[in-house]
Amino acid sequence: GESVGLHLPTLSVQEGDNSIINCAYSNSASDYFIWYKQESGKGPQFIIDIRSNMDKRQGQRVTVLLNKTVKHLSLQIAATQPGDSAVYFCAEKGNDYKLSFGAGTTVTVRA
Amino acid sequence: SAVISQKPSRDICQRGTSLTIQCQVDSQVTMMFWYRQQPGQSLTLIATANQGSEATYESGFVIDKFPISRPNLTFSTLTVSNMSPEDSSIYLCSVEEVDTQYFGPGTRLTVL
Repeated sequence: GESVGLHLPTLSVQEGDNSIINCAYSNSASDYFIWYKQESGKGPQFIIDIRSNMDKRQGQRVTVLLNKTVKHLSLQIAATQPGDSAVYFCAEKGNDYKLSFGAGTTVTVRA
Repeated sequence: SAVISQKPSRDICQRGTSLTIQCQVDSQVTMMFWYRQQPGQSLTLIATANQGSEATYESGFVIDKFPISRPNLTFSTLTVSNMSPEDSSIYLCSVEEVDTQYFGPGTRLTVL
């Protein structure tokens, strides 16, 4: 079936290092992708998005990479801070208006 | 982006009872959605709340269990009916703006 998933459920990273969170998707018709951050006790927060006509997009300390050939999406966080500790979800949108979410990666930042 | 609020933020309920969750947006939006997030899990779409018509439910979710209202373009409610402990989850509303969905803070429901 069509699904979006993350390669690793947890990621532990040293404060100041760069983080890379991966996501694989199976729907080749998906044309829009979003990364969300969910802190404990809060709703998912939009981080960055990318459309299928791009392969890279940068935000503040974050970069999203899209490889359509292998249907892979990644989120890179530069100089990871304690406030980056959260669960990160990728989501994809295909031919309809619905979002499909991956399983989530829990990022823990070590001081 | 739109500012979304939900009431209540959390509740503890007895099995067999019902709870209505409210979602308020600070601007008019066409698309509103309700999601369930079970403990430690990802988000699952329950239904799309359509203004002026019945909600569109996803597979596994039915109107009798999760009735939804959408009286105008800034407000929606989700009712969790005849609750059981398996309904203990976070319930989230979201709105769509230019393809992107933005989420409310969630309602944390515990059913005893």
